[in-house]
Amino acid sequence: QKEVEQNSGPLSVPEGAIASLNCTYSDRGSQSFFWYRQYSGKSPELIMSIYSNGDKEDGRFTAQLNKASQYVSLLIRDSQPSDSATYLCAGANAGNNRKLIWGLGTSLAVNP
Amino acid sequence: NAGVTQTPKFQVLKTGQSMTLQCAQDMNHNSMYWYRQDPGMGLRLIYYSASEGTTDKGEVPNGYNVSRLNKREFSLRLESAAPSQTSVYFCASSVTVTGVFNQPQHFGDGTRLSIL
Repeated sequence: QKEVEQNSGPLSVPEGAIASLNCTYSDRGSQSFFWYRQYSGKSPELIMSIYSNGDKEDGRFTAQLNKASQYVSLLIRDSQPSDSATYLCAGANAGNNRKLIWGLGTSLAVNP
Repeated sequence: NAGVTQTPKFQVLKTGQSMTLQCAQDMNHNSMYWYRQDPGMGLRLIYYSASEGTTDKGEVPNGYNVSRLNKREFSLRLESAAPSQTSVYFCASSVTVTGVFNQPQHFGDGTRLSIL
């Protein structure tokens, strides 16, 4: 059973702090990873894609991938109350016919 | 640029009724997906279409059928609705290129379906 696991939270951080969200995966063949943000009552919205080991930065967001340890993380710098949402991690194996394996999500609350 | 459009946004059905959820994308994506999302269960794949003319079952296909009408449109049909199918349904699409890493999926706004 291929799995992606996330701590359900809630993760609570003060405004301006760094929020760190983590995800582990079981399928060593996974090559592509995605972080989505989902506000309550809304659809998932893509934040970051990462395909190679190391860090990828986009504005206040940094995704980190470590294939040897099978984890993916998302750092949110200078967290804002508008970042309060559920963050979904997903992984994909090119041999899996383009399907994504989804984590259950981590709830983030940024307190003013 | 609409992206992925789902209709209807809300629907209430009675047990045993049938209905079709519509999804259309204007991004020229070749792969399309139907998910349901329930509290505590995450996103679960119902059916997907890797390319025009093909459809395959996901992890929870029972009680559903799909049609890939053309490259743009992918519909989900409930033939005889049951209360257990009360959920939020999302359609998504992605571009797939042989030999290239998986590309992200882009989601529609969802259909909130209640079955009484």
